[in-house]
Amino acid sequence: ETGVTQTPRHLVMGMTNKKSLKCEQHLGHNAMYWYKQSAKKPLELMFVYNFKEQTENNSVPSRFSPECPNSSHLFLHLHTLQPEDSALYLCASSLIPASEGTEAFFGQGTRLTVV
Amino acid sequence: GQNIDQPTEMTATEGAIVQINCTYQTSGFNGLFWYQQHAGEAPTFLSYNVLDGLEEKGRFSSFLSRSKGYSYLLLKELQMKDSASYLCAVRDGDYKLSFGAGTTVTVRA
Repeated sequence: ETGVTQTPRHLVMGMTNKKSLKCEQHLGHNAMYWYKQSAKKPLELMFVYNFKEQTENNSVPSRFSPECPNSSHLFLHLHTLQPEDSALYLCASSLIPASEGTEAFFGQGTRLTVV
Repeated sequence: GQNIDQPTEMTATEGAIVQINCTYQTSGFNGLFWYQQHAGEAPTFLSYNVLDGLEEKGRFSSFLSRSKGYSYLLLKELQMKDSASYLCAVRDGDYKLSFGAGTTVTVRA
């Protein structure tokens, strides 16, 4: 149990489908993140929310739409995805401002396959 | 931007020592992290360095040289369960973590 829970763990969707990924943290953190992890590539930061406000959008295509209703919950809404979007999507949370010990905690990820 | 390099793969024998190097070039620096990730699982925090020097935590140690843009993770007394991917990450500012591609360590009996 990492304190950050993601659902679903696995998702297969067609290119015309709409689905959502969910992330929940019970660590009292005030920042939440979405990362994309593709095989043999570095984790790519997609979005950052700080106290429910989006503070980072790393040129992510609009077919990915984040939502952060409160500091404990984060969603990633998916629509009209492409096969190259297949990857492991990781949610993380941390405390801001950063100081020693404020490492990011990760969920186990959602393995997404677009067919 | 950030540029973080680490070897792709390393293999070592059970009971041995392995050192995973990480070099980075960053526009800002507010700490370097090492994470362990087993296949299909979440990355888990191993160590944190913000000042130069060595941090030791049991069988794992991490070193940082800010002037050289260099860190290493030292794994001692290797066990089979240490077979995993090890991720080097640099924090810029309060929250932005940039990761290397990870080093897959395989421990052989």
